[in-house]
Amino acid sequence: GAGVSQSPSNKVTEKGKDVELRCDPISGHTALYWYRQRLGQGLEFLIYFQGNSAPDKSGLPSDRFSAERTGESVSTLTIQRTQQEDSAVYLCASSLKGLAGGWADTQYFGPGTRLTVL
Amino acid sequence: EDQVTQSPEALRLQEGESSSLNCSYTVSGLRGLFWYRQDPGKGPEFLFTLYSAGEEKEKERLKATLTKKESFLHITAPKPEDSATYLCAVQARSTSNSGYSTLTFGKGTMLLVSP
Repeated sequence: GAGVSQSPSNKVTEKGKDVELRCDPISGHTALYWYRQRLGQGLEFLIYFQGNSAPDKSGLPSDRFSAERTGESVSTLTIQRTQQEDSAVYLCASSLKGLAGGWADTQYFGPGTRLTVL
Repeated sequence: EDQVTQSPEALRLQEGESSSLNCSYTVSGLRGLFWYRQDPGKGPEFLFTLYSAGEEKEKERLKATLTKKESFLHITAPKPEDSATYLCAVQARSTSNSGYSTLTFGKGTMLLVSP
């Protein structure tokens, strides 16, 4: 079946511009996650959606970052007034059940969006 | 705070030369430990989930094991196509009011298998 898809695959922008990154999760997965991966660093958790709600926004680095999910499907990560330190690969993942409930729910990742801020 | 340390950072093997990657973790109760493989320019690909000490899982040339403090990813007779970065992640039992905890990832081990 279809996996997690993300678009665009690459995005080059100028400092100060806004960018939108899109994620299409695996059909039927209730949970969706955004991560940031900087060169040489581990994956950094940004935000988690259970359905269309985001119970955990603690990982968002600043108020320039926001995300939404609609129809328990597509999610958009928006970065306003981009800075050079925002350059990274942004990864989206989805899972069947989510983080609550006492289980360890496997997350499946998309190919990522490589963001370069000049 | 949950911590995951992977070693070595990089490993170079000859084709057929078996070895192991290590993932040491510190969590307040383990819910699950995950292994992923990541090829350059791609997202992590799921390999295994381990839930409790003593558990083992195998897939082709890979075998993952788990103790109370660490996990090993054993690679038997590796081939060049096994070259990738291998990531380890843990999910702890929640200690917050939210009722859950997010995954904590290690920085990965970059494996290069030469023919």
